Amino acid sequence: AQKITQTQPGMFVQEKEAVTLDCTYDTSDQSYGLFWYKQPSSGEMIFLIYQGSYDEQNATEGRYSLNFQKARKSANLVISASQLGDSAMYFCAMREPYSSASKIIFGSGTRLSIRP
Amino acid sequence: DAMVIQNPRYQVTQFGKPVTLSCSQTLNHNVMYWYQQKSSQAPKLLFHYYDKDFNNEADTPDNFQSRRPNTSFCFLDIRSPGLGDAAMYLCATSREPTPQETQYFGPGTRLLVL
Repeated sequence: AQKITQTQPGMFVQEKEAVTLDCTYDTSDQSYGLFWYKQPSSGEMIFLIYQGSYDEQNATEGRYSLNFQKARKSANLVISASQLGDSAMYFCAMREPYSSASKIIFGSGTRLSIRP
Repeated sequence: DAMVIQNPRYQVTQFGKPVTLSCSQTLNHNVMYWYQQKSSQAPKLLFHYYDKDFNNEADTPDNFQSRRPNTSFCFLDIRSPGLGDAAMYLCATSREPTPQETQYFGPGTRLLVL
């Protein structure tokens, strides 16, 4: 069964510093997708970045980049030059392969707090 | 802008009084999902529609039902809310239920049961 592990329940980072949020996953499938979502206190789940299992290059979206190490089954999110607005809960997620019960599996989340 | 919309954003209901939450999307996506998220937990999938095909998760209580009258709209019905059903309810869509497709979420409806 697929599984996502986020080992950092909470992190504090100084504004303007870079931060890495850890994510490891477990799957026996060859084709899968990895996602990071941000959830501020308002509750909305905001899509940040996607990495496909066959993508050879690490995904990047503005200040977000995904450090994808397939052999180690890790998909860490890197936020460069952190801002106060980055304070939120961050979820790593993976989609199961296509099936009638296709769904996203979420990790337990990391609460990131940015200090001014 | 194309988006996923949920109404209302906050819903207060009484114990045992039926309640309906709504979700609409302008993305024209084939798949719509309903998640329940309790405080400090990851979202938990309740069910999803792939077009008109309804797919219920095995551990979703019978108290939760869903309707999708057309591509754009999907409803979550809670027939007899209990105190344990107080949570954030998130609607999401994706073009196809494949590993490479992103799920886009609405802003959520926070349900309070008195």
